[in-house]
Amino acid sequence: AQKVTQAQTEISVVEKEDVTLDCVYETRDTTYYLFWYKQPPSGELVFLIRRNSFDEQNEISGRYSWNFQKSTSSFNFTITASQVVDSAVYFCALSEGYTSGTYKYIFGTGTRLKVLA
Amino acid sequence: ETGVTQTPRHLVMGMTNKKSLKCEQHLGHNAMYWYKQSAKKPLELMFVYNFKEQTENNSVPSRFSPECPNSSHLFLHLHTLQPEDSALYLCASSQEGTVRGEKLFFGSGTQLSVL
Repeated sequence: AQKVTQAQTEISVVEKEDVTLDCVYETRDTTYYLFWYKQPPSGELVFLIRRNSFDEQNEISGRYSWNFQKSTSSFNFTITASQVVDSAVYFCALSEGYTSGTYKYIFGTGTRLKVLA
Repeated sequence: ETGVTQTPRHLVMGMTNKKSLKCEQHLGHNAMYWYKQSAKKPLELMFVYNFKEQTENNSVPSRFSPECPNSSHLFLHLHTLQPEDSALYLCASSQEGTVRGEKLFFGSGTQLSVL
């Protein structure tokens, strides 16, 4: 069954600390996409990154970095030197194929990150 | 500003009321989605429209009725809801909806409370 697990419900860190948000997924597809979205208090989910199943290169974007490991079915997200503005709910998601041709997202339950000043 | 606008931001309704949620996207996308976000649960996909045609109904109760008059507008008509329907309802859009790995663009949602 397709599934995305974010075991960490809530994390609190002090500003400038590094923090890693975990994501573990299950899929039978050989081709799939993984995503991270950020949901600030304003409510809208904002796209952060997309990674396809054939690209296991880690990616760094400023203070954000992502570690994709197919061997452990994980796609973890690290924020370096966290800031108060990073406080939000972060969702990991999996997009895979269906025979109908409509590709659905499967979201995790989200991790609420609180960065304290 | 994601280019997807939802109204109203907050809605309180009784179980016998009829109300509608509205979503509008200014991105030129052809696919639009309704998601339900409840506390401690994954986002639940409710409906998908591609080029105004409904392509997905994820076993949603008939008290939720979607309408997509054109590719830019999406409505969710609500009637005789239950208290457990209280949640954040998110609208999203994407370029096509049939392309694997598309990014979704979300609105800020409507926080619905059913009394």
